[in-house]
Amino acid sequence: DAGVIQSPRHEVTEMGQEVTLRCKPISGHNSLFWYRQTMMRGLELLIYFNNNVPIDDSGMPEDRFSAKMPNASFSTLKIQPSEPRDSAVYFCASSSSLGGQPQHFGDGTRLSIL
Amino acid sequence: SQQGEEDPQALSIQEGENATMNCSYKTSINNLQWYRQNSGRGLVHLILIRSNEREKHSGRLRVTLDTSKKSSSLLITASRAADTASYFCATDEAGTALIFGKGTTLSVSS
Repeated sequence: DAGVIQSPRHEVTEMGQEVTLRCKPISGHNSLFWYRQTMMRGLELLIYFNNNVPIDDSGMPEDRFSAKMPNASFSTLKIQPSEPRDSAVYFCASSSSLGGQPQHFGDGTRLSIL
Repeated sequence: SQQGEEDPQALSIQEGENATMNCSYKTSINNLQWYRQNSGRGLVHLILIRSNEREKHSGRLRVTLDTSKKSSSLLITASRAADTASYFCATDEAGTALIFGKGTTLSVSS
């Protein structure tokens, strides 16, 4: 079975550019989570969806960040405009329910903003 | 927001030895989960223990939960070099999102 698929695996871009990260959750999972991981701050929850509806976006650092889930099999995290401090590894995870179940993580997108 | 705190931050052992990692948290939880992360990879779920459980086993893993002390421990027995990774605890407070700690980095040398 395919796990959570994220693309791209690596992204290097210049400050000010728009960045779009993509995630395909495990089929049948109805909860999707976006995280950011850095050495300084650890793993931070940015936003999560249940049945394609955003439930809590309080972890989104600024208005430059936005996330969508147009259907059950696809989600995007967009940063516009990007800044060097956005450099991090971004993970997507999915779960069969919002709580009480394990989360399945993709291998992440390593983002470098120059 | 509440966050699990793992202890120690780093642990180095020899193959065959046991590794114990601890996690403390601050408020009531529904369940606590442990994850492993290998370098350059995503987190992998290891084990979930519910608030009404005290101990759980999975292969060489043993997890305990003490809700009165708000703490959990992960024991890996007979460690192997392949166990080298970072280990995270995550707490589920209200049946919604997980809150992750900053992890314990385990190095197992042969």
